[in-house]
Amino acid sequence: DGGITQSPKYLFRKEGQNVTLSCEQNLNHDAMYWYRQDPGQGLRLIYYSQIVNDFQKGDIAEGYSVSREKKESFPLTVTSAQKNPTAFYLCASSSGQMSTDTQYFGPGTRLTVL
Amino acid sequence: LAKTTQPISMDSYEGQEVNITCSHNNIATNDYITWYQQFPSQGPRFIIQGYKTKVTNEVASLFIPADRKSSTLSLPRVSLSDTAVYYCLVGYSLMNYGGSQGNLIFGKGTKLSVKP
Repeated sequence: DGGITQSPKYLFRKEGQNVTLSCEQNLNHDAMYWYRQDPGQGLRLIYYSQIVNDFQKGDIAEGYSVSREKKESFPLTVTSAQKNPTAFYLCASSSGQMSTDTQYFGPGTRLTVL
Repeated sequence: LAKTTQPISMDSYEGQEVNITCSHNNIATNDYITWYQQFPSQGPRFIIQGYKTKVTNEVASLFIPADRKSSTLSLPRVSLSDTAVYYCLVGYSLMNYGGSQGNLIFGKGTKLSVKP
């Protein structure tokens, strides 16, 4: 089956700890994205990558970091510098960057800071 | 940057047709209109996309008037499983080349509640 996987589904973190969220896709897509969603809100873009070894900050990149060493993988690290990290995190990918290129989303990771 | 406005919420009953309208007065010539659906605790999924006039697929129809300043997503004969949030996105590219903000923005969407 082709698609996007995210792990873990639920993640708990103590304050002051860094945590890494996994995102893998086997759709052979060039572009990948990380979004954050808070309750009752829309999605906000954290980082995106158009190609391997390249990524750009989105609207709310502070306190987050990413890497894109392989086409299939785009992990997101939530650092201790992120003031309010508790949220639902969604990873997506698309074949290109045009609006006609559909974004495919993973199932999400719900992060809770204790 | 095209901005969209859509109702925060809508209620319907099973079997009814539901029309969700999205306003995008600043739409640019090259912009496409795309709708996504999101169920609770899941990622959004693509429903339909169009540029002008009418587009229909197995799930929905999209009506776009000649001036393209609005669009209407039509869901025929909804069921309880259509209860979800529906997002209207307008843009040309997923990301501004050389910029930090994408043209396609997921706002708060429209929360559709279908009742029995």
